[in-house]
Amino acid sequence: DIVMTQSPDSLPVSLGERATLNCKSSQSLLNSFNNKNYLAWYQQKPGQPPKLLIYWASTRDSGVPGRFSGSGSGTDFTLTISSLQAEDVAVYYCQQYYGDPRTFGQGTRLEIK
Amino acid sequence: QVRLQESGPGLIKPSQTLSLTCSVSGGSISSGGYFWTWIRQLPGRGLEWIGNIDYSGSTHYNPSLKNRVTISIDTFAHQFYLRLNSVTAADTAVYFCTREMETMVEAVIIRAWFDPWGQGTRVIVSS
Repeated sequence: DIVMTQSPDSLPVSLGERATLNCKSSQSLLNSFNNKNYLAWYQQKPGQPPKLLIYWASTRDSGVPGRFSGSGSGTDFTLTISSLQAEDVAVYYCQQYYGDPRTFGQGTRLEIK
Repeated sequence: QVRLQESGPGLIKPSQTLSLTCSVSGGSISSGGYFWTWIRQLPGRGLEWIGNIDYSGSTHYNPSLKNRVTISIDTFAHQFYLRLNSVTAADTAVYFCTREMETMVEAVIIRAWFDPWGQGTRVIVSS
């Protein structure tokens, strides 16, 4: 199985500041034939299901605010929120779709400092 | 806009079989391009992919659960189903149904991200 490891577990950030969340995979998620990274990011607010934010490591889903951006390649990926808003408080998960079984990171809890 | 809704028992006894239903509305469950998926969220956050099925009945299962899991589909009823045998307390979780997208890249079909998700149904395994 591909193991996904996120850091930190919890991240306190002040409103308006940048938040940087990390995700590392146990093997490369980059397909050399199409040059795409098979990684998605989700946001989960309390009592709600996960919501897709980003796919192909850096493509924002429709309707996702521009302050969310994804980057990275191979085994190391980052989700950045450029200016934290109160509604961004949530747990964020990365997920690989390079191989079966699909696996998720353990999540990073984003809090207001 | 496709919507998914899980239903099933909230409490089940150890060794019994868990049966859950996911009802799909706002779109066709019988069109290609998707795999209909079950994912569970174990206490303490962890998300675990259980498996999926497409409209033709083709399935993929997580090897860690494969011996106990069956996913089936009824396209006429616009529903797909999860059966998990011989449950234990370790199967206590929130169970989500979701849709796995298929996308074509360089003429190759790839199973990809999950969107949208149902609200989830909490299942407790306890005697």
